[in-house]
Amino acid sequence: NAGVTQTPKFRILKIGQSMTLQCTQDMNHNYMYWYRQDPGMGLKLIYYSVGAGITDKGEVPNGYNVSRSTTEDFPLRLELAAPSQTSVYFCASSPRKETQYFGPGTRLLVL
Amino acid sequence: GESVGLHLPTLSVQEGDNSIINCAYSNSASDYFIWYKQESGKGPQFIIDIRSNMDKRQGQRVTVLLNKTVKHLSLQIAATQPGDSAVYFCAETSNTGNQFYFGTGTSLTVIP
Repeated sequence: NAGVTQTPKFRILKIGQSMTLQCTQDMNHNYMYWYRQDPGMGLKLIYYSVGAGITDKGEVPNGYNVSRSTTEDFPLRLELAAPSQTSVYFCASSPRKETQYFGPGTRLLVL
Repeated sequence: GESVGLHLPTLSVQEGDNSIINCAYSNSASDYFIWYKQESGKGPQFIIDIRSNMDKRQGQRVTVLLNKTVKHLSLQIAATQPGDSAVYFCAETSNTGNQFYFGTGTSLTVIP
C-alpha cells in the first residue's frame, strides 16, 4: 500500500490564483481530513469527510472547498489564493474516529 | 473551541535519558487522545493513544499518562535515542469525535 499520497509537493501561487491540492489513499478508509500547519504551530483542521459524498467544515474552512466523490480521493480547492494561505497542507485518513495516517504534505507559498 | 497546549516548546535530553513531554487540554468531555511524532519535512506519525477510561498506557519505549482531574497528558520516552529527535504533538477529539485538536508541539532534541 502506498498509504496517503499528496500532490504537488511544493507550489508557488500568485495572489488571486486558484489551485487544487490532491490527496489519495489506498487503505479504503472512510474518514479523510485536511489540515494546515503554519510554521512552529500545530495542525488546524480545514475540512473533513466521514465517507464518500459527505464533507464538513473544520476549524479554519474559509477560503477552501472540498469534495469527496470517491472513497479514495479528497481534493482541497483554494479559490483566490491569499498570502495568509501560505502553509504546509497535510491530508490524513483513518478507518474510524481514531488513528490518522498522514500524507507527506504540500508546501504552498502565496506571493 | 477546544484548547490543547504544551508546557514546554523545546526539550533537550541526553541520549539514554528518559524524556517527558507534557500537554494540557481544556475540554473535559474529550474521550480520546493521541500523541504524534513529526520529523522535519514529514507528516505526523502516530505514536500512542489513550482513552479517557484509562490513566496509563504503555507501548514500546513510550508511556502515555492521562490525568483527567487536572486535564493533563504526558508522553514518556524511555532511553531516548537520537532518532527520537522530532516535534511531538498531542491531539484530542472533539465531543462528536470527528475532529481532532492539536497542540502547538514540543521540539525534542536528543544530545548524543
